[in-house]
Amino acid sequence: DGGITQSPKYLFRKEGQNVTLSCEQNLNHDAMYWYRQDPGQGLRLIYYSQIVNDFQKGDIAEGYSVSREKKESFPLTVTSAQKNPTAFYLCASKEGPLGEQFFGPGTRLTVL
Amino acid sequence: AQSVTQLGSHVSVSEGALVLLRCNYSSSVPPYLFWYVQYPNQGLQLLLKYTSAATLVKGINGFEAEFKKSETSFHLTKPSAHMSDAAEYFCAVSGPGSGYALNFGKGTSLLVTP
Repeated sequence: DGGITQSPKYLFRKEGQNVTLSCEQNLNHDAMYWYRQDPGQGLRLIYYSQIVNDFQKGDIAEGYSVSREKKESFPLTVTSAQKNPTAFYLCASKEGPLGEQFFGPGTRLTVL
Repeated sequence: AQSVTQLGSHVSVSEGALVLLRCNYSSSVPPYLFWYVQYPNQGLQLLLKYTSAATLVKGINGFEAEFKKSETSFHLTKPSAHMSDAAEYFCAVSGPGSGYALNFGKGTSLLVTP
């Protein structure tokens, strides 16, 4: 089955630690996205990548970093510079400008 | 910049009643508009999308939405609510900026009562 996988489903982090969230897709999509979801705020764009080895900052990129070394993979690192990282993180991919954006099941990050 | 506003963070309907979730958009170019549904602790699933073809768009699970340029609206409707429709619904817009990423509204939580 084609789709997007995210791991882990739940992640706990101590303050001051960097953590990396995994996102893998086997849909052969060029474009991939990371969103952050907070209660009552909808989803906000963190980073996006339209092609391998290229990525761009979204609306709330501060404290986050990404890489796109392979078409299938778009990991997100939440760094210690992110002041309020507790949130639900969603990865998505898309075939083209008008294509459907497919979402992964999400990772819930909690800072202890 | 393109944006959407969802009116009503919570909507409650009786089972069998009409569902109406409101979304207004702001865009300087013809928008691409979407409605997504999210069940608790899950990802988002596309209900329907408008990409400048027919103004009345039919989606999955009996939902439909009408694009009204004069009102800058893209409201989501379903004639008869089921208990299984209880979820969070998001309206979104995309365009050439940010790699055609989605710009989401804040969501509307739909409660269906027996």
